[in-house]
Amino acid sequence: TQLLEQSPQFLSIQEGENLTVYCNSSSVFSSLQWYRQEPGEGPVLLVTVVTGGEVKKLKRLTFQFGDARKDSSLHITAAQPGDTGLYLCAGVFNQAGTALIFGKGTTLSVSS
Amino acid sequence: NAGVTQTPKFQVLKTGQSMTLQCAQDMNHNSMYWYRQDPGMGLRLIYYSASEGTTDKGEVPNGYNVSRLNKREFSLRLESAAPSQTSVYFCASSEVWGWRLREQFFGPGTRLTVL
Repeated sequence: TQLLEQSPQFLSIQEGENLTVYCNSSSVFSSLQWYRQEPGEGPVLLVTVVTGGEVKKLKRLTFQFGDARKDSSLHITAAQPGDTGLYLCAGVFNQAGTALIFGKGTTLSVSS
Repeated sequence: NAGVTQTPKFQVLKTGQSMTLQCAQDMNHNSMYWYRQDPGMGLRLIYYSASEGTTDKGEVPNGYNVSRLNKREFSLRLESAAPSQTSVYFCASSEVWGWRLREQFFGPGTRLTVL
């Protein structure tokens, strides 16, 4: 079974702080997605990265895909209480797209 | 557009009982998925249907069966529920299935407790 690790598992910060969440594997991803999930709801897609070294920005969120396509990071600048939620990465490990794995998630709490 | 809908939202079963979780999408998507989410375990794929008429096992298929009734509907059946199947179940759909991950649209989830 492919293992996709996320860190940290929990993060509690004050409004205005910056943070980074990591998603790592010993295997190469064909592509990777980041989702955000609020309590009582299903996950919602934030971004998809496909190319090694790719950087995507979504307002205060910056997503980076490692050059070797084995890792990814999500950086939030000046966190706000509205950023609170569970952040999940999901990766595909083969060209057929049949090995879809979600990480266990990072629970972020931003207090004002 | 309702997106992905799931019924029921909550369910309590006794060990050994059976039930079917219903899922429907109105986005004309080809691929549909069933996941379970447990505390500290993230989302784990139970079964998926890459296209109408096909179904395949995911990471944790034991104890479950699925039916792709038509392009819109994908149901998950628990034939004999066990306490280990207590979880939140999510249905999702995407335009297509393939190595370039397509956006998955998730339903609101079904919270199942097996006593």
